[in-house]
Amino acid sequence: EAGVAQSPRYKIIEKRQSVAFWCNPISGHATLYWYQQILGQGPKLLIQFQNNGVVDDSQLPKDRFSAERLKGVDSTLKIQPAKLEDSAVYLCASNDRNSEKLFFGSGTQLSVL
Amino acid sequence: SQQGEEDPQALSIQEGENATMNCSYKTSINNLQWYRQNSGRGLVHLILIRSNEREKHSGRLRVTLDTSKKSSSLLITASRAADTASYFCATDEDNFNKFYFGSGTKLNVKP
Repeated sequence: EAGVAQSPRYKIIEKRQSVAFWCNPISGHATLYWYQQILGQGPKLLIQFQNNGVVDDSQLPKDRFSAERLKGVDSTLKIQPAKLEDSAVYLCASNDRNSEKLFFGSGTQLSVL
Repeated sequence: SQQGEEDPQALSIQEGENATMNCSYKTSINNLQWYRQNSGRGLVHLILIRSNEREKHSGRLRVTLDTSKKSSSLLITASRAADTASYFCATDEDNFNKFYFGSGTKLNVKP
């Protein structure tokens, strides 16, 4: 089966610019997650979707970050405007309630200069 | 917020030796999972242990869970150079499939 797809793989922007990341989960997986992983740290949950509804976005900095999953399949995460501290790997994951485990994409490495 | 904390932060061993890493967490959990992350890649699920289980095996992996101490350990036996990676524990606190990751243990297995 195809895995979780993410693009782009790398992105370099200057502070105050905007950036968007895309994720296509495994087919049939209702739950989709965006995690932020700063170098040397563990992934931090930003937002969790169940189909096209938000389950938890309590750790999403809503003044600059937004995410959507309009048709309950693929998702985009946007940052506008970016700050230096947003430099991180942004990981998308999905799961099927029956399996309980998460399937991760390879991530998008963002560098904000 | 992150739930689990791994110990040690880094571990370096020779091929063939066993590697043990520990995870402590703060609240009640439904299950605890271990993931591996190779450099520059996403995380890969290794093993899941439920709150009513004490020990689980999968190939060269052995996981233990002590809910009274809110801790878990991952043992990799007969390590190989290919085991070099970062290892993370993740806890599922409730029934909403919400997973919190620890800070990870960076394992280096020298050939």
